[in-house]
Amino acid sequence: QVQLVESGGGVVQPGRSLRLSCVASGFTFSSFAMHWVRQAPGRGLEWVAITSFDGNKNYYADSLTGRVTISRDNSKNTLYLQMNSLRPEDTAVYYCARDRVPGGMGELSSVWGQGTQVAVSS
Amino acid sequence: AIQMTQSPSSLSASIGDRVTITCRASQGIKTDLAWYQQKPGKAPQLLIYDASHLQSGVPSRFSGRGSGTDFTLTISSLQPEDFATYFCLQDLDYPYTFGQGTKLEIK
Repeated sequence: QVQLVESGGGVVQPGRSLRLSCVASGFTFSSFAMHWVRQAPGRGLEWVAITSFDGNKNYYADSLTGRVTISRDNSKNTLYLQMNSLRPEDTAVYYCARDRVPGGMGELSSVWGQGTQVAVSS
Repeated sequence: AIQMTQSPSSLSASIGDRVTITCRASQGIKTDLAWYQQKPGKAPQLLIYDASHLQSGVPSRFSGRGSGTDFTLTISSLQPEDFATYFCLQDLDYPYTFGQGTKLEIK
């Protein structure tokens, strides 16, 4: 079945880095744009970033530009989010999500992972 | 960035009620709007895309309307499984932005 599984979260000190991963299965990963979305505890959803199906086009939330990098390895069916200079306000559940249609770029679908928790604390 | 203002932030209703949630964009977004439902501890689920298109598998009691800056999500007859939090999302322009959410509770 179609599935996304995130990993890489954990507790990290402010100023440190973390790389999240999202492994896809059950669909042709290389055909779909992919997103990261986060949700701080008890808060709403915040869109983080998108990468095109081939990884050549990437866009980011204003609040994170310069501190995060989205990337993908289509040979491994894996999406990444490299986060640097982490701040306490980056504490959240991070979800990866698939685009709705292949070849497109921009419509989030109902295909989301279960999320990985990131806690930034000293 | 385009700001999305969602209202109300919370709503109490009864089984069988008709409820409407609204979302207003700070600038025109054509029909590039989606609605999501989220239950506690779960990932969001897509209900509506392109403002009014029902995602496959979503019950027909959910409907969406609007274009430009004003949008609505309507649930025609609330069922027990509909009590959740609902978010709108503009996907016209980067960065994409969500509304702040509407928590739908049982009266």
